[in-house]
Amino acid sequence: AQKVTQAQTEISVVEKEDVTLDCVYETRDTTYYLFWYKQPPSGELVFLIRRNSFDEQNEISGRYSWNFQKSTSSFNFTITASQVVDSAVYFCALIRGNTPLVFGKGTRLSVIA
Amino acid sequence: DSGVTQTPKHLITATGQRVTLRCSPRSGDLSVYWYQQSLDQGLQFLIQYYNGEERAKGNILERFSAQQFPDLHSELNLSSLELGDSALYFCASSVVRGSGANVLTFGAGSRLTVL
Repeated sequence: AQKVTQAQTEISVVEKEDVTLDCVYETRDTTYYLFWYKQPPSGELVFLIRRNSFDEQNEISGRYSWNFQKSTSSFNFTITASQVVDSAVYFCALIRGNTPLVFGKGTRLSVIA
Repeated sequence: DSGVTQTPKHLITATGQRVTLRCSPRSGDLSVYWYQQSLDQGLQFLIQYYNGEERAKGNILERFSAQQFPDLHSELNLSSLELGDSALYFCASSVVRGSGANVLTFGAGSRLTVL
C-alpha cells in the first residue's frame, strides 16, 4: 500500500524567512508520481507540481523549489523568502498506476508579517 | 477558476436527511473523483468515475452513492446523514483514465454541515 507522511502539522515563520515542508512517501512500485497541492484559506486545492519517479532533478519555480530524493523517499518543498500570501495548508500526494491520488495529512504554514 | 464547478458551496442540514452534491468537470475531462476532507481524517478518496463508469472505490460509506451522467457531470448522494459527515467534499477531474500522469484539477468544494 502507498502512504504519504507529512510529519510537520503546523509551521510558523516570519515573512522573508525560508521554509521547507517535508514529505516522505512509501510505495513498492518503481513507477509513481508525486504532487504538491496548496489549499489557501479560501479552501480550494491548487496544483503546484507533479514529478515522476524517474526524474530526480530538482525543480525551481520562482520562490518555490522541490527536492526529490528517491534514496530517502522524500519530496520536500521549499519556499524562499516567504510571504504572507504563502499562508496555506500544503499537501503532498502520491499516485501509482491506476490507483487514486493518496494525500498526506497536510502541513499548515503560517507566515507572519 | 479551476474549471471544475461544484454546487452548492455551502449546505446545512439535519441528521437523518439526504443531500446531493453536484460536480461539473473541466471541459474535456472524462474522469471525475470525489474526496472528503474532514479535520480528523484529512483528504480521503471516495470514488472515481470515468466516462460514466465507476473505476475505483475508496472509503465510501454505504450511505453514500455517486454517479456520472452522459454529459459527464457527477452527483454525490449522501443519505441518513450523521454529525460525522460534516466535511468539505471535493470533486476533481482529469483528462484520461487514472494513469499516474494525470493532474487532478479540483473544484472549490462543497461544505456540508450536519446539525
